Amino acid sequence: QVQLVQSGSELKEPGASVKVSCKASGYTFTTYAITWVRQAPGQGLEWMGWINTNTGNPMYAQGFRGRFVFSLDTSVSTAYLEISSLTAAETAVYYCAKSTQCDNWGQGTLVTVSS
Amino acid sequence: DVVMTQSPLSLPVTLGQPASISCRSSQSLVHSDGNTYLNWFQQRPGQSPRRLIYRVSNRDSGVPDRFSGSGSGTDFTLKISRVEAEDVGVYYCMQGTHWPRTFGQGTKVEIK
Repeated sequence: QVQLVQSGSELKEPGASVKVSCKASGYTFTTYAITWVRQAPGQGLEWMGWINTNTGNPMYAQGFRGRFVFSLDTSVSTAYLEISSLTAAETAVYYCAKSTQCDNWGQGTLVTVSS
Repeated sequence: DVVMTQSPLSLPVTLGQPASISCRSSQSLVHSDGNTYLNWFQQRPGQSPRRLIYRVSNRDSGVPDRFSGSGSGTDFTLKISRVEAEDVGVYYCMQGTHWPRTFGQGTKVEIK
């Protein structure tokens, strides 16, 4: 069955970077895109963008350009989200999801930014 | 960007009674390929979102048939025929036709 398994919670200081992983199994990784979604504490879902797992080409929503980077390692069926120069505003749960229609989701990774 | 507007934002329901959530888009969600990419997701407390409905009215595998989706163009509805305790959570619509994808604000379903 399709599974997306994300890396564990992270506690980072302001200004640091974080890299979240999303390992896919149960399907051919390069057949479907990976979408990234953010959920701030007590808030709704925010679409961050997606990465084409065949070409590696990413697309970012307006508020996620510059310090957010999507990448892949297709040899291990894994997608990554890296965020640099973290601020408290990035404290959230980050989800990966399969395809541009988000048909399967990872369990989420809580990133906490605090000094 | 396409704005997705859900109503109501809070929906207290009695067990066994029906429930209905509306989702309206600021633009038509009919894609140039003829499909309408409107999805519904359920997020139970403390869990990841789970897709329930894709392309307006198609239930994902394992989704109980008490959930149904309908609508066209810019106006869509998710219905629960008889609410059960496990249906408590927040429901989101998401349009998958235009870039960037966008979610509704979410509708919190709770038991009266």
